[in-house]
Amino acid sequence: AQTVTQSQPEMSVQEAETVTLSCTYDTSESDYYLFWYKQPPSRQMILVIRQEAYKQQNATENRFSVNFQKAAKSFSLKISDSQLGDAAMYFCAVNSGGSNYKLTFGKGTLLTVNP
Amino acid sequence: KAGVTQTPRYLIKTRGQQVTLSCSPISGHRSVSWYQQTPGQGLQFLFEYFSETQRNKGNFPGRFSGRQFSNSRSEMNVSTLELGDSALYLCASSSPGQRETQYFGPGTRLLVL
Repeated sequence: AQTVTQSQPEMSVQEAETVTLSCTYDTSESDYYLFWYKQPPSRQMILVIRQEAYKQQNATENRFSVNFQKAAKSFSLKISDSQLGDAAMYFCAVNSGGSNYKLTFGKGTLLTVNP
Repeated sequence: KAGVTQTPRYLIKTRGQQVTLSCSPISGHRSVSWYQQTPGQGLQFLFEYFSETQRNKGNFPGRFSGRQFSNSRSEMNVSTLELGDSALYLCASSSPGQRETQYFGPGTRLLVL
């Protein structure tokens, strides 16, 4: 079984500042993938960043980067130079692959960006 | 490439009716997964289809069913609708080489009255 916990229901950040969203997960698989998705008010789920568990190097995508701590089962998302368009619900998710390619999501963190 | 498309975008039904939702994956993607999103339960996995075969199923009653066609398009059917079926239904597709990485459509909002 897979579980994902996002302990911050809401976060806020000033425009141009940096914010970190937390996520912890649990899976019995040794090979798995971690994701952050963004869901703006339009409700379209957008893939932000992807991390393969077997890779020690943290993934980065422009202003978005992760801090992946495999032993601690922690997967936080850092957003640098926050923009108004970053305001959204952010979901952390795990997919253990193998015979079961389902995503298990956390409850989400609502990010507000203040001008 | 065009993204995942879902039709219809909005739907209003009454209790006891049935509904069919459609999903067209990104070109070249052969895996389609369906999720239900509600304020109370969050995002829950319904099922996954790969090459016209259901590969995985979530913990939903038999009223929820789906299928996939040879062109990878998928449909989801809910029979005997209940008020609790009101939700955003999201479809996601993934490529054969990266089945774990799913790209989502805009969703279908279903309201059951």
